[in-house]
Amino acid sequence: AQKVTQAQTEISVVEKEDVTLDCVYETRDTTYYLFWYKQPPSGELVFLIRRNSFDEQNEISGRYSWNFQKSTSSFNFTITASQVVDSAVYFCALSQIKAAGNKLTFGGGTRVLVKP
Amino acid sequence: NAGVTQTPKFQVLKTGQSMTLQCAQDMNHEYMSWYRQDPGMGLRLIHYSVGAGITDQGEVPNGYNVSRSTTEDFPLRLLSAAPSQTSVYFCASTPIRGGLGEQFFGPGTRLTVL
Repeated sequence: AQKVTQAQTEISVVEKEDVTLDCVYETRDTTYYLFWYKQPPSGELVFLIRRNSFDEQNEISGRYSWNFQKSTSSFNFTITASQVVDSAVYFCALSQIKAAGNKLTFGGGTRVLVKP
Repeated sequence: NAGVTQTPKFQVLKTGQSMTLQCAQDMNHEYMSWYRQDPGMGLRLIHYSVGAGITDQGEVPNGYNVSRSTTEDFPLRLLSAAPSQTSVYFCASTPIRGGLGEQFFGPGTRLTVL
């Protein structure tokens, strides 16, 4: 069985502070995908990143960066110089790499509140 | 492309009523799925389909039925609504080739069962 844990339920920061969201996962598969999604107050789910288990390189996209450590089963997400528009719920998710039966397992989400 | 569309956006049902949540995508994606989102629990998979005529159960399938007669449509049926089914429902689609890529989510349907 797969499991994703986001221990931080809510984080509050002041604008321009950095914020790191933790994600720890459990899976018996040796190959898998990891994802991060953003859910702003409007409710839609916005895809941020997909990372496969073969690739442990960290990734940076603008103010966003991701730190994947297979040894600790973690896939953490950092927002640098946060902005009010970053206020949202962020979900980490895990899936198997198979042609059929792909299923996303989500963590409980972390609500980020960025105050001006 | 309209992407993934869901109707209705909001729905209120009484206990015992049945209804169908509609989901359609115009991206020719093989894989479609339904999730429910409850506070503090993230999204949980209800049912999924890897192509027309093929469906399977996810993590929380009880009380829901699905069918996939076309590539485009994947309706979710509530047979006899219960208050425990009050939730936000998301439909998603993704191409299968190359492994599970970005899942495109619909805007969601907020369902309240009284």
